Amino acid sequence: GENVEQHPSTLSVQEGDSAVIKCTYSDSASNYFPWYKQELGKGPQLIIDIRSNVGEKKDQRIAVTLNKTAKHFSLHITETQPEDSAVYFCAASSRTGGFKTIFGAGTRLFVKA
Amino acid sequence: NAGVTQTPKFRILKIGQSMTLQCAQDMNHNYMYWYRQDPGMGLKLIYYSVGAGITDKGEVPNGYNVSRSTTEDFPLRLELAAPSQTSVYFCASSYSSDRGDGYTFGSGTRLTVV
Repeated sequence: GENVEQHPSTLSVQEGDSAVIKCTYSDSASNYFPWYKQELGKGPQLIIDIRSNVGEKKDQRIAVTLNKTAKHFSLHITETQPEDSAVYFCAASSRTGGFKTIFGAGTRLFVKA
Repeated sequence: NAGVTQTPKFRILKIGQSMTLQCAQDMNHNYMYWYRQDPGMGLKLIYYSVGAGITDKGEVPNGYNVSRSTTEDFPLRLELAAPSQTSVYFCASSYSSDRGDGYTFGSGTRLTVV
């Protein structure tokens, strides 16, 4: 079946450093790629998304890149802060042939002060 | 806007008991979803709905039932609870579009079956 692989599962960085999380998807019909941040005890929250007709999108300290040929997309967080510590999920969504959104398994990010 | 509201936040059930997890959204979203999240794992889709009166199975529907009588509400019913249903349950909603939409999630219901 279709799946989304997310790496790494755990990432520890020093405050101020950059963090990169990578996802690979298998469904070539996927055309929408959101990223969610989940803080402890809370539901996931959408932080940034990208559509298949765009290669890169940036919002302040976070950016997402998409390579449709290679079927992978990445989340980049610059100048990390302790409040960035959370679990991050990528997802790939397709409306072709029916509804389908598949989530990655998540990356636990630790930002050390 | 309250967003997506889930109740209860916590619940302990005994094996064989039943319960309904409530979910309501006030954003006039057409799409609503139920996910479960097991410890250290990603999100698995249980059921989803594209509008009032329309529901469909997701990846892990066994042991659950849903209904969507209104746009706002999407309750999840557990019949004959089993230990394997111990999990955190998230309800989410989105405004449908052909180009895809991000989800708004509720804060979750932590369910333990003993």
